[in-house]
Amino acid sequence: DAGVTQSPTHLIKTRGQQVTLRCSPKSGHDTVSWYQQALGQGPQFIFQYYEEEERQRGNFPDRFSGHQFPNYSSELNVNALLLGDSALYLCASSLVSGGDNEQFFGPGTRLTVL
Amino acid sequence: GQNIDQPTEMTATEGAIVQINCTYQTSGFNGLFWYQQHAGEAPTFLSYNVLDGLEEKGRFSSFLSRSKGYSYLLLKELQMKDSASYLCAVRDQTGANNLFFGTGTRLTVIP
Repeated sequence: DAGVTQSPTHLIKTRGQQVTLRCSPKSGHDTVSWYQQALGQGPQFIFQYYEEEERQRGNFPDRFSGHQFPNYSSELNVNALLLGDSALYLCASSLVSGGDNEQFFGPGTRLTVL
Repeated sequence: GQNIDQPTEMTATEGAIVQINCTYQTSGFNGLFWYQQHAGEAPTFLSYNVLDGLEEKGRFSSFLSRSKGYSYLLLKELQMKDSASYLCAVRDQTGANNLFFGTGTRLTVIP
């Protein structure tokens, strides 16, 4: 049973560029959430996707956008990259109808903006 | 809004017991989670509390008091591999199943 997978593992971009990060949820899960974790901080909620729509959004600008596909996988897009976007980007999956709705995290994508 | 507070760092001795506290203020409440995160790795689920009281899972226990907005994670018989960050996260009731995390407590276990 594959867990949550993310690609790429690491990425280096320059300011102003655009980036796309990918996530495949745990088998059987239908909901994907994205988090940004700066060094030494806890993860910050970006947004969540269910049924190919954004269900809820955290305090992030419109430069951050996403998409969910019919197979439940998801992409996070960040436009006009800033130095402050350097962080670990975590994807978490869950089952919307599950009991405690435990979220399973992927290994993350480490984004460095130069 | 949400405000989650936990100590930044703690140090404890191998074989001992350590308690990591978390206080929270949220607009809604639908459960509190504890995650363990080793450096450079993804958070892994430790425990979940939605009702008041103690939940025990082997060497790990978690306590919740909703009226006080307070939780703690208790780690017994500490091992060197328990050196990690411990993240307290609250799920609010206002929307989807997203979590609001504290900054994490970095625990160092010394021999």
